[in-house]
Amino acid sequence: GENVEQHPSTLSVQEGDSAVIKCTYSDSASNYFPWYKQELGKGPQLIIDIRSNVGEKKDQRIAVTLNKTAKHFSLHITETQPEDSAVYFCAASQASGTYKYIFGTGTRLKVLA
Amino acid sequence: SQTIHQWPATLVQPVGSPLSLECTVEGTSNPNLYWYRQAAGRGLQLLFYSVGIGQISSEVPQNLSASRPQDRQFILSSKKLLLSDSGFYLCAWSWTANQPQHFGDGTRLSIL
Repeated sequence: GENVEQHPSTLSVQEGDSAVIKCTYSDSASNYFPWYKQELGKGPQLIIDIRSNVGEKKDQRIAVTLNKTAKHFSLHITETQPEDSAVYFCAASQASGTYKYIFGTGTRLKVLA
Repeated sequence: SQTIHQWPATLVQPVGSPLSLECTVEGTSNPNLYWYRQAAGRGLQLLFYSVGIGQISSEVPQNLSASRPQDRQFILSSKKLLLSDSGFYLCAWSWTANQPQHFGDGTRLSIL
């Protein structure tokens, strides 16, 4: 079945450094890739997303890249700050007509001050 | 703007008791609605989704059920809870299929 693998499961970086989280998906029909940030005791919050007709998207310190050929996409956070510490989830959505996101298992990011 | 509310935030229930979790969305009409479960340290598992009143699709067999009695109300229920039903339950909404899903703050359910 469809699968999304996410790495690493934990990531510690020094404040100001960059963080990269990678996901690989199995369903070549996937065409929408959101990233969520989840803080302790809260629901996931959408932070950035990308569709398959675009290779890269940037929003201030956050960027997402997509390689459709290799079926992987990555989240890049630059100039990390302590408030970036959270669990990050990637997801892949199948082509239109379905409603299902396949989520990765999450990356716990710790930004050390 | 749209908002999503879930309650209660935490719930402790004995094995075998019934369950009712409620989710409501404001600021939109005819949204797609979703129930997810998140086990500790794991990703999100889709349990149910709904594209309209009375329309429920189940993703995994279990002793849970969902209902949508009103356009912006989504309810997760069980007649008899099992220990394995413990977890963090999240409700989400989206405009249509393959659109961003927006999550509530969840209900942490503990079964004793």
